[in-house]
Amino acid sequence: DQQVKQNSPSLSVQEGRISILNCDYTNSMFDYFLWYKKYPAEGPTFLISISSIKDKNEDGRFTVFLNKSAKHLSLHIVPSQPGDSAVYFCAASDGTGGFKTIFGAGTRLFVKA
Amino acid sequence: DGGITQSPKYLFRKEGQNVTLSCEQNLNHDAMYWYRQDPGQGLRLIYYSQIVNDFQKGDIAEGYSVSREKKESFPLTVTSAQKNPTAFYLCASSIGQVGEQFFGPGTRLTVL
Repeated sequence: DQQVKQNSPSLSVQEGRISILNCDYTNSMFDYFLWYKKYPAEGPTFLISISSIKDKNEDGRFTVFLNKSAKHLSLHIVPSQPGDSAVYFCAASDGTGGFKTIFGAGTRLFVKA
Repeated sequence: DGGITQSPKYLFRKEGQNVTLSCEQNLNHDAMYWYRQDPGQGLRLIYYSQIVNDFQKGDIAEGYSVSREKKESFPLTVTSAQKNPTAFYLCASSIGQVGEQFFGPGTRLTVL
């Protein structure tokens, strides 16, 4: 039972355009959400996060939107750059439930020059 | 230069042998984690430790063991009881319960 789902295994975007990566979750107890970026043969690196008390968080070219009623979050990258080509993992945690963070399966983003 | 190191990057073992993966951090983080990544799947939690001399099973702990004798170190042993040990293993640490985790570069284990 996947509690965090990234239904698009891959996404291809032209350089300069917007990339939108989606994530759905099923556990209404999740209250903290994170996005990680991963290059091949490396560990993931933290990108941006959002608490359930917010519906938007922005950091430079990266914005995360949270829709609690739909149990959906999305990561927007604008403008997309070739260096953004990587696998993006959505993750969620229940701040009251301990140290477990649940990761989605990831979406591979290709940004074409 | 703070961070997490994992060694080795690639590891080959014969079936039936135990193997220990190293994870060291100098970030002064209390919490440490071991994840496994398989193709097309997210990271699955094997074990985590909130503090020295304490650790908890994650979602897929069967066939694995850990120790946390020092704050900086959290080695993972893949035992012969693990039925499908070939995978990419990631170690991570965090300051506390909620928030970002810092990941090591990973170890790719192949059991022949």
